[in-house]
Amino acid sequence: DVKVTQSSRYLVKRTGEKVFLECVQDMDHENMFWYRQDPGLGLRLIYFSYDVKMKEKGDIPEGYSVSREKKERFSLILESASTNQTSMYLCASSSRTYEQFFGPGTRLTVL
Amino acid sequence: TQLLEQSPQFLSIQEGENLTVYCNSSSVFSSLQWYRQEPGEGPVLLVTVVTGGEVKKLKRLTFQFGDARKDSSLHITAAQPGDTGLYLCAGARDYKLSFGAGTTVTVRA
Repeated sequence: DVKVTQSSRYLVKRTGEKVFLECVQDMDHENMFWYRQDPGLGLRLIYFSYDVKMKEKGDIPEGYSVSREKKERFSLILESASTNQTSMYLCASSSRTYEQFFGPGTRLTVL
Repeated sequence: TQLLEQSPQFLSIQEGENLTVYCNSSSVFSSLQWYRQEPGEGPVLLVTVVTGGEVKKLKRLTFQFGDARKDSSLHITAAQPGDTGLYLCAGARDYKLSFGAGTTVTVRA
C-alpha cells in the first residue's frame, strides 16, 4: 500500500513564525502536491512538484513556498505565518496517473 | 470560484435509504475521480471514471460520468452508517486535480 506521512497531525504556531510542514511518500512517485482544506471550499492546490527540485504554483501560492530536495520528500514552508493560514494541510503523491494518495493531514492553528 | 460544483452540500438520511450526489462543471476533464474523507483523515480514492457515459459500480455505489465528460454523479443504494463521510469529486487535467467543495453525508442508524 502507498503510504504518505506528514510530520505532525496538529500544530499551533504564533503569527510571524516560520513554519515547516513535511511530507514523505514511500512509493517512488514522481508527483507530489500540497493542498489546504477549508470548510465549504474543498481542497485548494497550493504548490505541486513533478520532479526533484522542480515546483509549480497552484491556485493559491501566496504566502507559501516549497522545497523538494529528494524524490520522496516535499516540504511546505510558511515564511511568516498569519491567522488566515489556519487550516487543514494535506499532502498527496501520484505516479504518472491522476490517482492521488493522501496523507492524514496537519491541522495548523496560527494564533 | 469553484471549478466543480457539488450538490447538495449536506445530506442526512436514514439507514436503508438511497442517495445521489452530483458534480457539475462547465469544463471538460480527462477523467473524474470520487474520494471519501473521514474526520481526521485524508481523502481516499473510491473510483476513477474516464470515458464519457461510463458507469462504474462498487458494491452499493454507482458512479456515472456524463457523455460530455463535464459532470458526474454518485448514487448509494441502501445506505449504511459506514457510508457516512465527506464525498469529494475531482476533475483531472494536466496531471492536476480540481476539487469540488464536497458533500457531507450522514447516515443515521
